[in-house]
Amino acid sequence: DAGVIQSPRHEVTEMGQEVTLRCKPISGHNSLFWYRQTMMRGLELLIYFNNNVPIDDSGMPEDRFSAKMPNASFSTLKIQPSEPRDSAVYFCASTTLTGVNTIYFGEGSWLTVV
Amino acid sequence: SQKIEQNSEALNIQEGKTATLTCNYTNYSPAYLQWYRQDPGRGPVFLLLIRENEKEKRKERLKVTFDTTLKQSLFHITASQPADSATYLCALDLFTGGGNKLTFGTGTQLKVEL
Repeated sequence: DAGVIQSPRHEVTEMGQEVTLRCKPISGHNSLFWYRQTMMRGLELLIYFNNNVPIDDSGMPEDRFSAKMPNASFSTLKIQPSEPRDSAVYFCASTTLTGVNTIYFGEGSWLTVV
Repeated sequence: SQKIEQNSEALNIQEGKTATLTCNYTNYSPAYLQWYRQDPGRGPVFLLLIRENEKEKRKERLKVTFDTTLKQSLFHITASQPADSATYLCALDLFTGGGNKLTFGTGTQLKVEL
């Protein structure tokens, strides 16, 4: 059974460029999360969707960040324009809305903005 | 807002000993608390969940306790092995009315030495 799939695994980009991170949740999961992890701040929730609808985006740091979930099997996190302080590991995770909220993480997208 | 504290210093123990990791939180008690393991370069993986009405939960060599009076959870690994070396994260649910979302601590790195 495939887990949460993220792409790209690694990205190095120049400041000012647009970055798009992609996520395919586990089939059948109807809740999707985007987290960012840094040494200083740990794992921070950026935004989450239930049934493809954004529920809480209070963790999105700035208007430069946007996320979409056009269907149940795909989500994107976009940063435009990117800045060096956006360098981090971005994790996508999914779960089901029923029962307890145990989250399944992808392997992360390692972003470096130079 | 809810604050979660985990010991930021790495915990070094000898193989065969019991490792004990601490998770403290402020404000209200969550309905449940979860522990995850994260290996370098990988996404967090769920280990154990304990509900607010449970004092203790066990799974093989792992044991979690939950003291809502102290606002603390302890995570124990008995008969520790070098393969247990990883970062361990605790997470609390935060019910928003639109579904649950997990807030993570910054994690504690465990090193089990031969």
